[in-house]
Amino acid sequence: DTGVSQDPRHKITKRGQNVTFRCDPISEHNRLYWYRQTLGQGPEFLTYFQNEAQLEKSRLLSDRFSAERPKGSFSTLEIQRTEQGDSAMYLCASSGGDTQYFGPGTRLTVL
Amino acid sequence: GESVGLHLPTLSVQEGDNSIINCAYSNSASDYFIWYKQESGKGPQFIIDIRSNMDKRQGQRVTVLLNKTVKHLSLQIAATQPGDSAVYFCAEDNNAGNMLTFGGGTRLMVKP
Repeated sequence: DTGVSQDPRHKITKRGQNVTFRCDPISEHNRLYWYRQTLGQGPEFLTYFQNEAQLEKSRLLSDRFSAERPKGSFSTLEIQRTEQGDSAMYLCASSGGDTQYFGPGTRLTVL
Repeated sequence: GESVGLHLPTLSVQEGDNSIINCAYSNSASDYFIWYKQESGKGPQFIIDIRSNMDKRQGQRVTVLLNKTVKHLSLQIAATQPGDSAVYFCAEDNNAGNMLTFGGGTRLMVKP
């Protein structure tokens, strides 16, 4: 499978704990995006990388959230001191041109 | 703020019929639009896209129409099949290729 992959697919954590998600983009795609999706809503943009540079961040990305793409390939999204409001599907997408291709997402549940 | 939206939250069609899903956008500067299909528990799947210099684009069983005058986008699915049952989102590129703005989605239900 040469599509976007995400790990883990599901994560259950207790409030206050830190979590980290990983995204592996389609090979050679230089752009990588993170989105958050809550039930019944469309995905909302969080942040965007071109190669290893984080070029844009949404106001949704509070200071508890941090994303990295150290070598311009895979990316990680960390949420510190999780809150119940962080429960959502976290989606990663990559593109080599205009079209963004999405991964399966990581479903986060904060208890 | 400017956003992409959908007229109908749920669309129920008979298997074999054609489906039309509509979307309104408000950012006149947007020049690229995409339709995604999302099945339960999965990520959005690219269906078809269209640039603002086109009015119509066809794929396999799907057609996207763009009316820039009224800022309206539609997705037509021919001979709808049970496998087409999903939530469909239109998305708007912010003209810088940096992020997509999604609408709330339309659920398509196909009755056998």
